Amino acid sequence: AQSVSQHNHHVILSEAASLELGCNYSYGGTVNLFWYVQYPGQHLQLLLKYFSGDPLVKGIKGFEAEFIKSKFSFNLRKPSVQWSDTAEYFCAVGPLSGGYNKLIFGAGTRLAVHP
Amino acid sequence: EAGVAQSPRYKIIEKRQSVAFWCNPISGHATLYWYQQILGQGPKLLIQFQNNGVVDDSQLPKDRFSAERLKGVDSTLKIQPAKLEDSAVYLCASSLGSSGNEQFFGPGTRLTVL
Repeated sequence: AQSVSQHNHHVILSEAASLELGCNYSYGGTVNLFWYVQYPGQHLQLLLKYFSGDPLVKGIKGFEAEFIKSKFSFNLRKPSVQWSDTAEYFCAVGPLSGGYNKLIFGAGTRLAVHP
Repeated sequence: EAGVAQSPRYKIIEKRQSVAFWCNPISGHATLYWYQQILGQGPKLLIQFQNNGVVDDSQLPKDRFSAERLKGVDSTLKIQPAKLEDSAVYLCASSLGSSGNEQFFGPGTRLTVL
């Protein structure tokens, strides 16, 4: 079955620390990859996405993610976090089956950044 | 641009009662999705519409859940009868098309079944 695994459920960092959130997926075919973020009290919103091309993709607010096909991974990184990055982060995979835009989400990682 | 609208935002019901949720997607978005997000888990797709047709309802518990998207715009999701394990946030999302497009999410409806 298709699945997405996020390694850390809770991460606590101090401001200016570096961030890396792990994401692995199980699916043998071609996929689109996404990171969504949910800030406190707000909707889920897209942080960045990978469809094809350069496996290092840059998103909003200084986030980036690297697709490593051989490891079925799509880890999220940020060199220096801010208090405003406190949020829940979801990795999602969109299998390209039947041409439909289905998303399979991981369980999420709750990030708390302390000033 | 107005976002995805959902109502109500919160609902508390007793088990075995029925409940309905409403979603208005972003104007012009052909594809509409309903997700269930149980506490501590990521969103799980329940049903996906392309215009007013269902393209994926493989994870919809059809004995108690139903959804429709009349006229290819607004959608309603119904649970009848509700069970305790249906307590969750129900998210509606929409996208322009069906392949590779960003999904835009609404604020969700938090359902508590007592």
